[in-house]
Amino acid sequence: EVQLVESGGGLVQPDRSLRLSCVASGFTFHDYAMHWVRQAPGKGLEWVSGISWNSGNIGYADSLKGRFTISRDNAKNTLYLQMDSLRAEDTAFYYCAKENFKSGTTGLDSWGQGTLVTVSS
Amino acid sequence: DIQMTQSPSSLSASVRDRVTITCRASQTISSYLNWYQQRPGKAPKLLIYAASSLQSGVPSRFSGSRSGTEFTLTITSLQPEDFATYYCQQSYTTPWTFGQGTKVEIK
Repeated sequence: EVQLVESGGGLVQPDRSLRLSCVASGFTFHDYAMHWVRQAPGKGLEWVSGISWNSGNIGYADSLKGRFTISRDNAKNTLYLQMDSLRAEDTAFYYCAKENFKSGTTGLDSWGQGTLVTVSS
Repeated sequence: DIQMTQSPSSLSASVRDRVTITCRASQTISSYLNWYQQRPGKAPKLLIYAASSLQSGVPSRFSGSRSGTEFTLTITSLQPEDFATYYCQQSYTTPWTFGQGTKVEIK
């Protein structure tokens, strides 16, 4: 059974940093691209970032303006999201998600439970 | 960025109704279109990928289709557990983008 467990969320002041982690199990982590998706309370889904199996291809939402960095450690089956210069509008649940197939971009078939990041003074 | 426009934003329907949700892309995305269901307090669930392929384990009352840059999710015979919010998402190019969601409520 695929499991994705996020951690690292919490209350943080504006302009501070936070690092989210997502530990994966139940599948061959290094075979799959991984993504972060966020959802502000009561709002819709927003894709944040994605990383290929070997970290060779990385993408970000334009709205992040270079403040976030995605990475992965295949030896530890772990996905990361480094979030710098946090703003109130970054307040959201952050989900880690796995791509459906090893090849091609066919959606996200497994999701974590989400970790809440609240940016407030 | 590619804009995904869903309609309607909400709808009311009864059990056993047929429901159709539309998603239009602002430019070509081939068939790189996925549909998700999200129940309150839960993570999204992948229903349809590549416009019309049913994800494993998803009931066959869910189906997807494509006509150019317009995509449709159809639920035949709506069931009580189908009352949720549905999102389309393009995976043609980064940044991936989602539609704004369609909330399906009980009439």
